[in-house]
Amino acid sequence: QVKLLQSGAALVKPGDSVKMSCKASGYTFTDYIIHWVKQSHGKSLEWIGYINPYSGGTNYNEKFKSKATLTVDKSSSTAYMEFSRLTSEDSAIYYCARGALDYWGQGVMVTVSS
Amino acid sequence: DIVMTQGVLPNPVPSGESASITCRSSKSLVYKDGKTYLNWFLQRPGQSPQLLTYWMSTRASGVSDRFSGSGSGTYFTLKISRVRAEDAGVYYCQQVREYPLTFGSGTKLEIK
Repeated sequence: QVKLLQSGAALVKPGDSVKMSCKASGYTFTDYIIHWVKQSHGKSLEWIGYINPYSGGTNYNEKFKSKATLTVDKSSSTAYMEFSRLTSEDSAIYYCARGALDYWGQGVMVTVSS
Repeated sequence: DIVMTQGVLPNPVPSGESASITCRSSKSLVYKDGKTYLNWFLQRPGQSPQLLTYWMSTRASGVSDRFSGSGSGTYFTLKISRVRAEDAGVYYCQQVREYPLTFGSGTKLEIK
């Protein structure tokens, strides 16, 4: 069955970067784009952007363009998101989701604290 | 960006009753193919969002027929019939008509 398995929680210092992963299984990885979504504590959802695993093409929300970098490794069916220059505002749960947003990963909790 | 505005439910809703959740978009979500690009999700406590309906009224695979989506180009309703304890959580509408994709602020459903 389709699964998106995300990496574990991260505790990072302000100003640092964090790179999280999303490993896909149960379907052909290059057939669907991968979205990334942010959920701040107790708040709604924000779309960060997507990557096309086949072409490597990306589309970012302008709000996150200077913050997020999306990449993939086709050989391992894994998508990555790197978030840079972290501040307390970046503390959140980050989800990956497949193309039609029909399958989601379990989320990665990122805490930014000194 | 398209702004999505969700209504509030008079909680809690008695088990077995119906509940209707509303959502409004700042721009029509009807595309030139005639489809309305509106998704509904349920996020249960501690879980990832789950897709309930897409194209405004098409249920996602495995979703109960107690969930039904309807609406126009800018005003949408998700009706939940015969609510059960497992329906509790936060419901989000999302427009996928254009990028950036945007979500509503969420509507909390509590069951009595």
